[in-house]
Amino acid sequence: QVNLLQSGAALVKPGASVKLSCKASGYTFTDYYIHWVKQSHGKSLEWIGYINPNSGYTNYNEKFKSKATLTVDKSTNTAYMELSRLTSEDSATYYCTRRGRGYTGFDYWGQGVMVTVSS
Amino acid sequence: DIVLTQAPLSVSVTPGESASISCRSSKSLLSSKGITSLYWYLQRPGKSPQLLIYQMSNLASGVPDRFSSSGSETDFTLKISKVETEDVGVYYCGHRLEYPNTFGAGTKLELK
Repeated sequence: QVNLLQSGAALVKPGASVKLSCKASGYTFTDYYIHWVKQSHGKSLEWIGYINPNSGYTNYNEKFKSKATLTVDKSTNTAYMELSRLTSEDSATYYCTRRGRGYTGFDYWGQGVMVTVSS
Repeated sequence: DIVLTQAPLSVSVTPGESASISCRSSKSLLSSKGITSLYWYLQRPGKSPQLLIYQMSNLASGVPDRFSSSGSETDFTLKISKVETEDVGVYYCGHRLEYPNTFGAGTKLELK
């Protein structure tokens, strides 16, 4: 069965960086794009960007271009998102999600990882 | 960016009754391939979002047929018939017509 397992919660200091992971299993990793979505506490969903695990091609929401960097490690079926120069505005839950085939939407989601930025 | 406006922001429903949620797009979501790029997701309390509806009116795998969705190029409605306790949560509409993908603000469904 398809599963996206994300790394644990992170407490980071302002100005620092954090690298979140998303380990895929149950399907061929390189066949599906991985997207990342931000959800601030009690708020809606914001699309950050996606990566094509096969080619490494990325596409970012303009709002997150200087904030997030998406990478993959095909040898471990893991996608990563690094967030840099963290501020309190970056405190949120971050989800990785798989875009289904064709136009079927985001069909599987990771459990989410809460990032707290605090000194 | 495409703005998706949901209404109402919250709805309270008696179990067994029906509920409807509206989503209005600032731009037509009909793609050049004839696909309406509108999706519905449910986020149960403390859980990740899950896909309910894709391409405006298609049920995702495992979603009960109590859920249905319809609409035009810019106005969409999610209907839940015979609401059950497991339907509690926040419903989001989202699009994939272009980048950035965006989502509505969400509609919280509670039981009376």
